[in-house]
Amino acid sequence: TQLLEQSPQFLSIQEGENLTVYCNSSSVFSSLQWYRQEPGEGPVLLVTVVTGGEVKKLKRLTFQFGDARKDSSLHITAAQPGDTGLYLCAGPPRGYSTLTFGKGTMLLVSP
Amino acid sequence: GAGVSQSPRYKVAKRGQDVALRCDPISGHVSLFWYQQALGQGPEFLTYFQNEAQLDKSGLPSDRFFAERPEGSVSTLKIQRTQQEDSAVYLCASSLGPGNQPQHFGDGTRLSIL
Repeated sequence: TQLLEQSPQFLSIQEGENLTVYCNSSSVFSSLQWYRQEPGEGPVLLVTVVTGGEVKKLKRLTFQFGDARKDSSLHITAAQPGDTGLYLCAGPPRGYSTLTFGKGTMLLVSP
Repeated sequence: GAGVSQSPRYKVAKRGQDVALRCDPISGHVSLFWYQQALGQGPEFLTYFQNEAQLDKSGLPSDRFFAERPEGSVSTLKIQRTQQEDSAVYLCASSLGPGNQPQHFGDGTRLSIL
């Protein structure tokens, strides 16, 4: 059983479109992290959300942490080809000392 | 450099050979992690060190996999008697604090077993 479910698994859109990707769990997390990974490179941390209901913005990216701290979303406004990559959510389930990762959402933005 | 460094970047080995993958974490980072990543999938946890102590090795797929971090800095992941299903990207990450903190990743070693 995957602790963190990400959807969609794959998303192909045109430049300028908006999109939302989701990270869901039946477990409570003390925090959730979002990473982006480009081909041939390691994941790079985008943001950490800690408080239930928290919203964080990073330029055109908006991250939300659910009130119950079981889910999170990433919304991208006016996507650009440079946003292409694998988006991963990760978090430490309650009682765990390490991170568990979702399987990721592969985003392809075409010019 | 200031980031996590992994070597080699690419490794090709014949089935049955032993391989060793190296990770140089960010200086001063207490925690070090190894992950296995299949193409287009998220990283799967293998093992976790806090300084030189291996606190969690629950993700290692079999006793052919062994990791060490003898001086609390550089770590080596060794795979003995490699099999084709070991082909994957092996990522190393480090963090300043405990294991649930944000992690800094290396670019990985792509291992191909022929």
